[in-house]
Amino acid sequence: DAKTTQPPSMDCAEGRAANLPCNHSTISGNEYVYWYRQIHSQGPQYIIHGLKNNETNEMASLIITEDRKSSTLILPHATLRDTAVYYCIGFNAGNMLTFGGGTRLMVKP
Amino acid sequence: NAGVTQTPKFQVLKTGQSMTLQCAQDMNHNSMYWYRQDPGMGLRLIYYSASEGTTDKGEVPNGYNVSRLNKREFSLRLESAAPSQTSVYFCASSDTRPQHFGDGTRLSIL
Repeated sequence: DAKTTQPPSMDCAEGRAANLPCNHSTISGNEYVYWYRQIHSQGPQYIIHGLKNNETNEMASLIITEDRKSSTLILPHATLRDTAVYYCIGFNAGNMLTFGGGTRLMVKP
Repeated sequence: NAGVTQTPKFQVLKTGQSMTLQCAQDMNHNSMYWYRQDPGMGLRLIYYSASEGTTDKGEVPNGYNVSRLNKREFSLRLESAAPSQTSVYFCASSDTRPQHFGDGTRLSIL
């Protein structure tokens, strides 16, 4: 599994875009980049994933660099309910997720 | 909209007691997983079951046993609870990807 590195914490103003970076320089060619978030003490919630191309869904956008060594999760208009810990994960074909420490995003009014 | 259901939500045990954590999913997923999460940490995989009738160890299996009772249910057993097993336990299921998680069981061992 690719080791991922994320900043431990970030702040974002409500209504602004939240850009959460992730480094995954050891990611292999068949590993997807997955993003999950965990709000308070709830179970992790899937957000988005991608392999090479940028992806967008109703929750977020995922920008993956061309060399696939890093990616950025974008929440276009952060709300207070987006305050959570965000996990970037390199996902292997064996279908096991390895969670690191994540980024604690605090959205402030 | 049940998804993955875990019971109980909270439990306090004394050292040496045994306990089974229950997990059921209604999405007809083949794979199921048990994780633990210690305060301020990410999730660590305890055991997983790729399909009914199979189980495999994850990163931190010591002190635990699992049973894949049928396709829906995957239980985690602590035979002799220790204070180091105080944690929040999450069950998850998936078909291919991504994994869907339950809301956790908060377990304290005194």
